[in-house]
Amino acid sequence: EPEVTQTPSHQVTQMGQEVILRCVPISNHLYFYWYRQILGQKVEFLVSFYNNEISEKSEIFDDQFSVERPDGSNFTLKIRSTKLEDSAMYFCASSGPGTNTDTQYFGPGTRLTVL
Amino acid sequence: DQQVKQNSPSLSVQEGRISILNCDYTNSMFDYFLWYKKYPAEGPTFLISISSIKDKNEDGRFTVFLNKSAKHLSLHIVPSQPGDSAVYFCAASAVTGGGADGLTFGKGTHLIIQP
Repeated sequence: EPEVTQTPSHQVTQMGQEVILRCVPISNHLYFYWYRQILGQKVEFLVSFYNNEISEKSEIFDDQFSVERPDGSNFTLKIRSTKLEDSAMYFCASSGPGTNTDTQYFGPGTRLTVL
Repeated sequence: DQQVKQNSPSLSVQEGRISILNCDYTNSMFDYFLWYKKYPAEGPTFLISISSIKDKNEDGRFTVFLNKSAKHLSLHIVPSQPGDSAVYFCAASAVTGGGADGLTFGKGTHLIIQP
């Protein structure tokens, strides 16, 4: 069964450093998403991406964040200058043809720890 | 601003019995609802969804009921099995027609199936 994959599973970085989280969505999906879950809190939407541009973003997704689909398979989230409060699980998701477009399938997540 | 509420942080059910997980929402623009199951250190796994044009959707042991007038949905699991022990998230989206709509999640209910 096709699945969303994410790398790395755990990333540790120093405050102020740039990090790039990587995702490989399900191959025939067209819509891509990033979410985060701070420990003990609910899963929060960050951004969605379609047709090589941002479709929707939340107020969490400020200028420190950016997304990119550099090739036909990867979807990345970049945090330019990490802060302590960026420590969270980051989940990538995708949806699209072959499934109900509105049903999003999630990857296993990347745990980001900012020291 | 909790647009999706799961008021029971945890629920304990005996194996073989019915598990009923509840979810309330406040945003009348939501028209697509999903249930996800999550184990620790894993991403949310899609279980079942329902569109606002329906009041019930069934898939094997899982049934979701939607009461639009009450802005309430519930997930029934019959019969409950030990492997069902996990955190269950209710999520909703307001499909605005542009695709790639972010999901709004509840805080989750930790279901524990007792042998």
